[in-house]
Amino acid sequence: DAGITQSPRHKVTETGTPVTLRCHQTENHRYMYWYRQDPGHGLRLIHYSYGVKDTDKGEVSDGYSVSRSKTEDFLLTLESATSSQTSVYFCAIRGTEHLGGYTFGSGTRLTVV
Amino acid sequence: KNQVEQSPQSLIILEGKNCTLQCNYTVSPFSNLRWYKQDTGRGPVSLTIMTFSENTKSNGRYTATLDADTKQSSLHITASQLSDSASYICVVSAETNAGKSTFGDGTTLTVKP
Repeated sequence: DAGITQSPRHKVTETGTPVTLRCHQTENHRYMYWYRQDPGHGLRLIHYSYGVKDTDKGEVSDGYSVSRSKTEDFLLTLESATSSQTSVYFCAIRGTEHLGGYTFGSGTRLTVV
Repeated sequence: KNQVEQSPQSLIILEGKNCTLQCNYTVSPFSNLRWYKQDTGRGPVSLTIMTFSENTKSNGRYTATLDADTKQSSLHITASQLSDSASYICVVSAETNAGKSTFGDGTTLTVKP
């Protein structure tokens, strides 16, 4: 999607290995989010950021950490990947304008074997 | 606790038919409600936004309604097309949400020829 890119698009990793997913935006938006999406579930918030070095936990944050050292980049790290973290991960951005909506990336499909 | 409930969970209709998707919410204080369309393998894309003072809003063959008194919204799709097959997600934002919104689990629509 315009203004937001996720990398990699696909990744297969082994249980116990660390994994980092990257979200990059060119919109200079304040808010950035990481969601996971699994069959039978909607989008569930993992972590979000409301500014450089300002982050907070979402509803499913266990096993994940994030960092935002620059406005444009928001990294999601799985410290030690587990099979339960096999999922599709979406990054989203949102500005501070009133009624601003989310712009989502194209997703990263992560498989932990 | 803020919640968004969508129904039905899934729906199958024939091409050319109409359908209506429902969204009930308990988010307070209410700011706005958006409907997103998520095609398979892609991130969600915003279809419409409804604020407190709006009852109906159209976007082509998509018409969203909002009843702020009963805290219900619907998305009506007219003359469905095969390309309407997707997941439709209702997202409700509160005035004081600190950048977070409440997501429904979505309705999966399949349009068959």
